[in-house]
Amino acid sequence: KAGVTQTPRYLIKTRGQQVTLSCSPISGHRSVSWYQQTPGQGLQFLFEYFSETQRNKGNFPGRFSGRQFSNSRSEMNVSTLELGDSALYLCASHKAGANRGYNEQFFGPGTRLTVL
Amino acid sequence: AQKVTQAQTEISVVEKEDVTLDCVYETRDTTYYLFWYKQPPSGELVFLIRRNSFDEQNEISGRYSWNFQKSTSSFNFTITASQVVDSAVYFCALRGAGANSKLTFGKGITLSVRP
Repeated sequence: KAGVTQTPRYLIKTRGQQVTLSCSPISGHRSVSWYQQTPGQGLQFLFEYFSETQRNKGNFPGRFSGRQFSNSRSEMNVSTLELGDSALYLCASHKAGANRGYNEQFFGPGTRLTVL
Repeated sequence: AQKVTQAQTEISVVEKEDVTLDCVYETRDTTYYLFWYKQPPSGELVFLIRRNSFDEQNEISGRYSWNFQKSTSSFNFTITASQVVDSAVYFCALRGAGANSKLTFGKGITLSVRP
């Protein structure tokens, strides 16, 4: 079974630009979550999607947005990039069930975003 | 609000030593789930174990073992006879069972195993 894939793996942007990151979950997984990882703040939850609907959102500004498509693939977008947005962005997929907290999340390799 | 504390930031051991990674959590949920993930230098988090709040049985998987104690809100992870390949960052995480629950991670512990 193929794992979670994320594209691109590396990205360099300049301040003020916008960026779109893509995530393809494991086949059969209908939930996708996004996380930001930085040395200072660690792993922080961005949002979670299920069946094209945002289920939960972390404490990030409105510049961070996402969406999920009918095939469960997900994208996240960051507009008006700031230097502090430089981070590893991780996508995770998991089975969706009545008890969502139970299911372990499977992570992709991440997209390393550098903002200059 | 929920919180995961991994007080140790970096641990360095010599190969074949045993090492314990500590994890303390806070939550108001009565039903919750605890996880350990490993992040090798490649960056991809690898799921190691899940423990339900109502199951306090310890678990052993090869050289890995986990000690869950609700009374002290701890979920510690021990690697026996450590190997160089165990070098990675280890994260403890917590998620409640509620509809709006999210996976909350600790800051991670960097484990270096020297030959």
